[in-house]
Amino acid sequence: EVQLVESGGGLVQPGGSLRLSCVASGFSSSAYWMAWVRQPPGKGLEYVACIKEDGSEEYYVDSVKGRFTISRDSAKNSMYLQVNSLRTEDTALYYCARFCGGSAPRWYFDLWGRGTLVTVSS
Amino acid sequence: DIQMTQSPSTLSASVGDRVTITCRASHNINTWLAWYQQKPGKVPKLLIYKASNLESGVPSRFSGSGSGTEFTLTISGLQSDDFASYCCQQYNGSFTFGGGTKVEVK
Repeated sequence: EVQLVESGGGLVQPGGSLRLSCVASGFSSSAYWMAWVRQPPGKGLEYVACIKEDGSEEYYVDSVKGRFTISRDSAKNSMYLQVNSLRTEDTALYYCARFCGGSAPRWYFDLWGRGTLVTVSS
Repeated sequence: DIQMTQSPSTLSASVGDRVTITCRASHNINTWLAWYQQKPGKVPKLLIYKASNLESGVPSRFSGSGSGTEFTLTISGLQSDDFASYCCQQYNGSFTFGGGTKVEVK
């Protein structure tokens, strides 16, 4: 089955860190641009970061630049998001998502995971 | 940054109704717009891409239109399975989502 499964979320104090993981199955994630998208409780979706198929390019939304780092490991068919210096406004369900189109990406998402919840609170 | 304003935030409708949801972009995005359906506890599902193209497997009662800064998602003949939230996403440059529209039972 083609799917994405996230893990690594949890309750963390402001200023803390977490490492979110996304494991792909049923397809080779290294053939796709991938992204993290988050959704605060009761709010809309927000793009966080994306990474090229080979990991050579990465992009971030301004609000997380310098605090979050996206990476991937083709051998493990996985993608990661290191989240540091967490703020209360980072509280959200973090989704792993695949851009449609493989090596000729079309910049919308055709596959999503179920998400991992990050709660930042003292 | 391109902002996406979606309206209404909540829409009450009945089975069989024609439903229209609007997304407005703060800048011209041509037709670089996608629509998703999201149900509680479920992953977002791609419905429409490039403003008016129906994703494979999506029922034909869903349609999208628009270009530039104004876009609409229409459900012609609302079905019980369609009560859900819907959001738009622009992909002209970076990526921004609309705030979402919840379609609820009237």
